[in-house]
Amino acid sequence: AQSVSQHNHHVILSEAASLELGCNYSYGGTVNLFWYVQYPGQHLQLLLKYFSGDPLVKGIKGFEAEFIKSKFSFNLRKPSVQWSDTAEYFCAVTLYNQGGKLIFGQGTELSVKP
Amino acid sequence: KAGVTQTPRYLIKTRGQQVTLSCSPISGHRSVSWYQQTPGQGLQFLFEYFSETQRNKGNFPGRFSGRQFSNSRSEMNVSTLELGDSALYLCASSLESGAGRGSYNEQFFGPGTRLTVL
Repeated sequence: AQSVSQHNHHVILSEAASLELGCNYSYGGTVNLFWYVQYPGQHLQLLLKYFSGDPLVKGIKGFEAEFIKSKFSFNLRKPSVQWSDTAEYFCAVTLYNQGGKLIFGQGTELSVKP
Repeated sequence: KAGVTQTPRYLIKTRGQQVTLSCSPISGHRSVSWYQQTPGQGLQFLFEYFSETQRNKGNFPGRFSGRQFSNSRSEMNVSTLELGDSALYLCASSLESGAGRGSYNEQFFGPGTRLTVL
């Protein structure tokens, strides 16, 4: 079965540190890729998405992600985190022919110390 | 444009009861997907509806069911509630569904319904 794995369950960083969250998926076909964020007490919001084209995608709030097809990876990065980035981050994929079914990773909780 | 709305926001039920949750998608969106979020299992896909038809279904027992109305609003029902059904139930809507790429498949999430089963 298709699955998504996120390498880190909980990451703790100081403000201004760089962030990289790993995400790998297991599916050999065409996929759409997403990163969602869930701030404390808020609903899931889309950070960025990849459908096709340039494998380096930029999202909101200074986040970016790189799709590496050969590694089945879609890692999330931010050069300098802020306290307000404290949240849970979810990587997700949809298969090419199942656009309405998001398959999520387990999530990574990010805590940024001021 | 109003976002995805879900009612009720909180619900407390006892084992054996049934419950119905409601979701109103963003205006113009025709696809509605439902997810269950728990600390142990994370976010799991329940089912997707498009034009009043179930398009996809996740690995949940038959106690979980749903439907979609002609105005794209959707409901999900859980019968014979079990303690393990306690979760945050999320609804998401998108413009379209099915094959292909493109932002028409991008899903927008509602705030969820927190269900507690005692």
